[in-house]
Amino acid sequence: EADIYQTPRYLVIGTGKKITLECSQTMGHDKMYWYQQDPGMELHLIHYSYGVNSTEKGDLSSESTVSRIRTEHFPLTLESARPSHTSQYLCASSESGNEQYFGPGTRLTVT
Amino acid sequence: RKEVEQDPGPFNVPEGATVAFNCTYSNSASQSFFWYRQDCRKEPKLLMSVYSSGNEDGRFTAQLNRASQYISLLIRDSKLSDSATYLCVVNRLNDYKLSFGAGTTVTVRA
Repeated sequence: EADIYQTPRYLVIGTGKKITLECSQTMGHDKMYWYQQDPGMELHLIHYSYGVNSTEKGDLSSESTVSRIRTEHFPLTLESARPSHTSQYLCASSESGNEQYFGPGTRLTVT
Repeated sequence: RKEVEQDPGPFNVPEGATVAFNCTYSNSASQSFFWYRQDCRKEPKLLMSVYSSGNEDGRFTAQLNRASQYISLLIRDSKLSDSATYLCVVNRLNDYKLSFGAGTTVTVRA
């Protein structure tokens, strides 16, 4: 089993609130990723990092931001949540960039 | 055009049946190919890598056809536990990112 963790697992929050989704891995992987997935749809890459102090935006435009201050930690922040942010957010890490290990996901609902 | 396209299914098959499905990819320079499995409301997990010569892992067989740019997955002797969505995944050339298909749903019935 992969050692990658996400909290919270489920979050229901009101419009305008600031939220941070946590992602941690204990495998020492340099490469970490955030994906957004709606039901029945493909994963869309929204952020990635290839190491400490390195972050890039992915394919899908997102109002979220990320940081990578420590190798094992890759949190995602939404400054002002909106209903359009309702989705599942999946964090992944990888040693090579090929095989990616996913966390259990955070299911976010913005009311 | 999407980088990876899959028939969404669903493929409904009885236990013990063989089921096979393909995906196509658009970038002819792609180097690495994978099948991931995603159970309902769960995270994707790597099922198997796909090698140029084709490869098997128990009841699962993966094939790669570079000329036609498609990848296939065959499941023999289907089990109820094989019910899931199978994601076709392709790496991006000179990058550490993956492109995911939307998945093919397989439902195995008793």
